[in-house]
Amino acid sequence: SQTIHQWPATLVQPVGSPLSLECTVEGTSNPNLYWYRQAAGRGLQLLFYSVGIGQISSEVPQNLSASRPQDRQFILSSKKLLLSDSGFYLCAWSRRNEQFFGPGTRLTVL
Amino acid sequence: EDKVVQSPLSLVVHEGDTVTLNCSYEVTNFRSLLWYKQEKKAPTFLFMLTSSGIEKKSGRLSSILDKKEPFSILNITATQTGDSAIYLCAVNPMNRDDKIIFGKGTRLHILP
Repeated sequence: SQTIHQWPATLVQPVGSPLSLECTVEGTSNPNLYWYRQAAGRGLQLLFYSVGIGQISSEVPQNLSASRPQDRQFILSSKKLLLSDSGFYLCAWSRRNEQFFGPGTRLTVL
Repeated sequence: EDKVVQSPLSLVVHEGDTVTLNCSYEVTNFRSLLWYKQEKKAPTFLFMLTSSGIEKKSGRLSSILDKKEPFSILNITATQTGDSAIYLCAVNPMNRDDKIIFGKGTRLHILP
């Protein structure tokens, strides 16, 4: 069966510090992968998606970047965090018509 | 531009009440509509709807799709405090990358 992992689960970082969030998927090959951000209690905003290694599409201009160094690994990064980067970050993979989410990382930027 | 609109944004009811959550959408090419429940962590999948008029049911939850209007509703009968969550509606248009468009969610709070 397929499993999606994210770490860390919780992160508190100062403004201006770098960020690296990791997502890995097990049990499937060549998945479409997605990064979402969710502001407190609201809907999901698609940040990046990837259809293959090294292929990244950005949905909104922002302070973040994404990379896919391996088929089942998706990384969300920032060189310098802003206060507005705080939120709940979710990684997802898709199969046919459904998306399956990882457990999420709650990021607080102080 | 494709979009998904959910209403209400927030709802507070008493345990035992029945609630109806609404989701309307505009997409160029519709493939499916998805409902998710999100408690404190990641959203969990509830239903996928592709055809009009066919009700999907799981325990006290049910959902139906009307592709003509277009909209979907999610019903929860005999609500319990454990139903408190954000309910997300999402539409999967026919696109190569499986990008799904989410609504902003309905925050449901059930009072004991």
